[in-house]
Amino acid sequence: QVQLVQSGGEVKKPGASVKVSCQAFGYSLSSYGISWVRQAPGQGLEWMGWISAFNGNTNYAEKFQARLTLTTDTSTSTAHMELRNLVSDDTGVYYCARGGVVVAATDLDFWGQGTPVTVSS
Amino acid sequence: QSVLTQPPSLSGAPGQRVVIPCTGNSSNLGAGYHVHWYQQIPGTAPRLLIFGNTNRPSGVPDRFSGSKSGTSASLAITGLLAEDEADYYCQSYDGRLSLGVFGGGTKLTVL
Repeated sequence: QVQLVQSGGEVKKPGASVKVSCQAFGYSLSSYGISWVRQAPGQGLEWMGWISAFNGNTNYAEKFQARLTLTTDTSTSTAHMELRNLVSDDTGVYYCARGGVVVAATDLDFWGQGTPVTVSS
Repeated sequence: QSVLTQPPSLSGAPGQRVVIPCTGNSSNLGAGYHVHWYQQIPGTAPRLLIFGNTNRPSGVPDRFSGSKSGTSASLAITGLLAEDEADYYCQSYDGRLSLGVFGGGTKLTVL
């Protein structure tokens, strides 16, 4: 069955970078896109960006444009999210979710389990 | 401040029907972008409940239904069960902002 398995929790200092991985099982990664969504403690869901695993096209939320990079590696069926210049407000749980392959404007039908990221000095 | 607006909380008794509204604008729901709904039990990942305004994925009970008209959408839950107690989020796309957008979430309490 379809599964997205994310890497483990991270603790980072302000100014550092974090890279979260999301490995796809049960389907061909290149047939879909991957969106990344984060959730700050006690808060709602925030859409960060989307990548097509077919052609590498991306769509980043302007808020993250300067410090977010989304990539995919179809040879390992893995998507990666790198966020640079971390600040304390980046603390939260980061989710990958399967979406459309052509455009970002689709539903997210399968989600990873979430990766907690803590930014603290 | 979320682009899509939902009430922060709602409640209902077992067996009742509740409706969770989601309000957008002419750049998202009003522009024809679909709305999707997710259920999140605290401490777990969100789960897709409704996609493409009205469609239920396999495995989602028919107690859950979605609708959309103009700049508004809603999720209806009938025959409320204790297990329906969760946070519910609407989601769409904003063509002016060029990003996916979520509602702020509605915490549903089953009395």
